[in-house]
Amino acid sequence: QQQVKQSPQSLIVQKGGISIINCAYENTAFDYFPWYQQFPGKGPALLIAIRPDVSEKKEGRFTISFNKSAKQFSLHIMDSQPGDSATYFCAASMEPHQLIWGAGTKLIIKP
Amino acid sequence: KAGVTQTPRYLIKTRGQQVTLSCSPISGHRSVSWYQQTPGQGLQFLFEYFSETQRNKGNFPGRFSGRQFSNSRSEMNVSTLELGDSALYLCASSLDGSGANVLTFGAGSRLTVL
Repeated sequence: QQQVKQSPQSLIVQKGGISIINCAYENTAFDYFPWYQQFPGKGPALLIAIRPDVSEKKEGRFTISFNKSAKQFSLHIMDSQPGDSATYFCAASMEPHQLIWGAGTKLIIKP
Repeated sequence: KAGVTQTPRYLIKTRGQQVTLSCSPISGHRSVSWYQQTPGQGLQFLFEYFSETQRNKGNFPGRFSGRQFSNSRSEMNVSTLELGDSALYLCASSLDGSGANVLTFGAGSRLTVL
């Protein structure tokens, strides 16, 4: 019940396309859902996060869509660029506990 | 402000040896967490320290240990190294370690065990 399941494991998208990464959770007590982005040779960095009281949050080309009833949330990257090539991790938490992490998605944007 | 600093960045050890990794958190951050990252395994939580006390622990054997000093700097130690311990070890700091805190990660220490 503490797991966060992330898919796909890897994803190849053409430049300009939409990249979509999905995560699912079981614990309805989770109340914070961040996405972290990790470039090779670097540690992960917070990209965007959402609380379950909203269904969508947008920051530039990055959007989190949240479906509370389905217990799913997803990251959409619009107009994907080669610079977006990275590993993306979803996570979930409930106060005051630690984040529970998804397994990560390696995203490659082809020029 | 300065980010999270991890040292050393790269190290090579042989089986049976031990290793100590260091992490200097962002100034003012009191929580330090450690993660092991291997290809295909994502981020595996090792432990979290807050105010010099281990507050949370992941599912790793006792060969993995850590500590935190009064200035919030943290070290982790792996004894009796095994080949499977080869990984990137990441440290992350946050204000108080609660789930909604933003974690700031260091660049990691890449350990190779031969």
